[in-house]
Parts: sequence; structure tokens; C-alpha cells
Amino acid sequence: KQEVTQIPAALSVPEGENLVLNCSFTDSAIYNLQWFRQDPGKGLTSLLLIQSSQREQTSGRLNASLDKSSGRSTLYIAASQPGDSATYLCAVANYGGSQGNLIFGKGTKLSVKP
Amino acid sequence: DAGVTQSPTHLIKTRGQQVTLRCSPISGHKSVSWYQQVLGQGPQFIFQYYEKEERGRGNFPDRFSARQFPNYSSELNVNALLLGDSALYLCASSTPSGHYEQYFGPGTRLTVT
Repeated sequence: KQEVTQIPAALSVPEGENLVLNCSFTDSAIYNLQWFRQDPGKGLTSLLLIQSSQREQTSGRLNASLDKSSGRSTLYIAASQPGDSATYLCAVANYGGSQGNLIFGKGTKLSVKP
Repeated sequence: DAGVTQSPTHLIKTRGQQVTLRCSPISGHKSVSWYQQVLGQGPQFIFQYYEKEERGRGNFPDRFSARQFPNYSSELNVNALLLGDSALYLCASSTPSGHYEQYFGPGTRLTVT
């Protein structure tokens, strides 16, 4: 059974700092991995999608990497800003399963202090 | 382009009642998935529909049911509501040409009293 873990559960950093959020998964047979952002009480915003054949994806100040063999992904945020404060969720779709079935971690709550 | 839309935004129901939640996917997306998110947890998968057929079902009781319409919009029904059904219900749409990248709606907040 696929399990997704995110460490740390919460993180507080000063504005301008570069930071890394971690995600691990137990079954390396994945179709893709997606990183999301969630503001309190709101829906999820897709940040980056990494297909199983890819090693990384970049969008602006965000860079996500994927190491399937070790069951790990990282989300790197450069030059953090107070507007980056939110909960970041990692999710995987299992290979051979329903691609609309994402297995989520519990998220990392990020606070960026001005 | 409009994103995924969900209605209603908020809903308060009493134990034992029934509720219907609605979702409209992004134009051109034929896959719709439903998730339940309780406070402090990641979303949990309930159902996926693709071209009106059920493609996946999560570990939820039979009180939960869904369907997809010819225009690819979807409804999630929950019968005999329990206090534990209180949660944010999220809908996501995707398309194979987009590698099934999931796009989520704003959610429906259901409170059961």
C-alpha cells in the first residue's frame, strides 16, 4: 500500500531564505508526482507535475526533483516571500492504478516571516 | 478559461440527512475525481469518473456514491450523514493529454451537526 510522508510538518523561515520541502513514498512504481499549494480553507493549486520518467521540473522560483529509486521528491523554493506562506502537499499517482487517484501526504505548513 | 467549479461553497446538514455536491470540470477535461479532506490531513480519494464510467473507488462506505453526466460534470451524493462526514470535499479534473495533471476546485465545506 502506497504511503506518502512529508517532513517537516511545519517550517518557519525569514523572508529571502531558500528552503527545501521533503516528500517520501513507499512504492516506487508511480505514474507521476504532483506538488500542490493550499491556502487555509481553500482548494489546491497545482505547482509542478513530474512524470515518472523525469528527474525534475522548474517553474519560476520553484524546482521539484524526483528520485524514484529512493522514493523521494524535494520541492526547492528560492528567495522565499511572505506570500509563499501556505501548506504544501505532495501526491503520487500509482502506476497501473487510476491516474485520477492521488495519494497525498499530510503536508508541510510553511510560514515565511517578513 | 474557467477552472474547476464546485457548488455549493458551504453546507450545513443534520445527522441522517442526505447531501449532493456538484462539480464542473475544466472545459475539455473528461476525468473527474472526488476527494475528502478533514482538518489537518491530506485529501483522501473517493471516486474517479472518466467519460461517465467509474474508474476508481477509494475506501469509503456505500453511503458515498457519484455519477458523471454527458457534459462531464459530476455529482457526489452522501446518504445517512454522520458527524465524521464533516470535511472539505474537493473535486479535481484532468485529461490524458495533460498527463493527468490534477486541477482542483475550491471545494465544498460540509458541516454535519
